[in-house]
Amino acid sequence: QSVLTQPPSVSAAPGQKVTISCSGSSSNIGDNYVSWYRQLPGTAPKLLIYENNRRPSGIPDRFSGSKSGTSATLDITGLQTGDEADYYCGTWDSSLSAGVFGGGTKLTAL
Amino acid sequence: QVQLQESGPGLVTPSQTLSLTCTVSGGSISSGGFYWSWIRQHSGKGLEWIGYIFYNGNTYSNPSLKSRVAMSVDTSKNQFSLDLNSVTAADTAVYYCARTAAGKDFDFWGQGTLVTVSS
Repeated sequence: QSVLTQPPSVSAAPGQKVTISCSGSSSNIGDNYVSWYRQLPGTAPKLLIYENNRRPSGIPDRFSGSKSGTSATLDITGLQTGDEADYYCGTWDSSLSAGVFGGGTKLTAL
Repeated sequence: QVQLQESGPGLVTPSQTLSLTCTVSGGSISSGGFYWSWIRQHSGKGLEWIGYIFYNGNTYSNPSLKSRVAMSVDTSKNQFSLDLNSVTAADTAVYYCARTAAGKDFDFWGQGTLVTVSS
């Protein structure tokens, strides 16, 4: 059971927009920055969004993040078949004094 | 570009200690400003943060693993290490090392190494 809650799967047609949610509590998302990661099969996760809404160099602006209260959202516009992967949200939990992740969301481009 | 590479045995006997090392290139561990983390992923499952270490040796561990985890850093070799003792089959996973920024995001990752606990 993950501390952060994500939908197990989402899907959308290529070219469309998809949203992945991440729900937590006041001790984690509500009190700390959120980051998002993409993991292709057999590879290490890759940072997509950090500090709620900032993109590392090289990440296209099709990827955007936001946070409100104890929830966060990753939006992907102009969906591509190459975006099919598992997506994870992560943050720090001030009560647990530990890094925590969501259970992951599998994105399918229909 | 910072690169990280995990190394260590791929097979560990139950009740023994799992030991991994992460070698960092393209950046110095002792430059400060970053933590250096261990994260694991059980097959088909999500990510689990194990802990991180600062260049001065300060460590922070997941409370669920804290009693079995030890971490160390060797700035002369630009490496940091993980020891997980009293392992069981439940510790079988892919283990990743990662650089951790001040916002607690993991911006660079190693490729991961599969550790299997089995007799």
